[in-house]
Amino acid sequence: GESVGLHLPTLSVQEGDNSIINCAYSNSASDYFIWYKQESGKGPQFIIDIRSNMDKRQGQRVTVLLNKTVKHLSLQIAATQPGDSAVYFCAENTGRRALTFGSGTRLQVQP
Amino acid sequence: ETGVTQSPTHLIKTRGQQVTLRCSSQSGHNTVSWYQQALGQGPQFIFQYYREEENGRGNFPPRFSGLQFPNYSSELNVNALELDDSALYLCASSLDGREETQYFGPGTRLLVL
Repeated sequence: GESVGLHLPTLSVQEGDNSIINCAYSNSASDYFIWYKQESGKGPQFIIDIRSNMDKRQGQRVTVLLNKTVKHLSLQIAATQPGDSAVYFCAENTGRRALTFGSGTRLQVQP
Repeated sequence: ETGVTQSPTHLIKTRGQQVTLRCSSQSGHNTVSWYQQALGQGPQFIFQYYREEENGRGNFPPRFSGLQFPNYSSELNVNALELDDSALYLCASSLDGREETQYFGPGTRLLVL
């Protein structure tokens, strides 16, 4: 994934609002995509995934949208809570027994 | 919590030294993948071990090596440490090499001085 050094893109939202985090991916051959949440001092935590033959998938308070035409993935979080504050990564399967992670977006939820 | 554990949690080494990091996989998982996460970046794949054999490798030099034991736990070894090796090292366990169902441990924070 592209490097953004110490300056992660940051999304700041008010508690209760909906959040949309975006991700551009590079490999059109990827079979599936995953969103991870990483809190400070912890490893990435699985949120939701989507197969390449799907456009949308919903979970509890989260929705992932996949637009293969423009290689774009988004994560929507409904009714954002302070506990949602974290760095969010999209990851794609590249067929090398590995996940390729994006550069991440920091979500800050204001009370 | 995922059930994946790593040790130590933090480590400080000097340039040129060697380091060994350890990972215990989630119960029932036979595959361990290692990732390096530099500050402010996403994790980068180092390699994967499945049934005690290296099963895939990212763009890391040979001084990064690993082992997997019969109980599926794993070690990451880094020789001739460089300053740029300072990072959070994450292991993730999964079943049968399925990278889509990886569960990550908390990581080991390595600082090379």
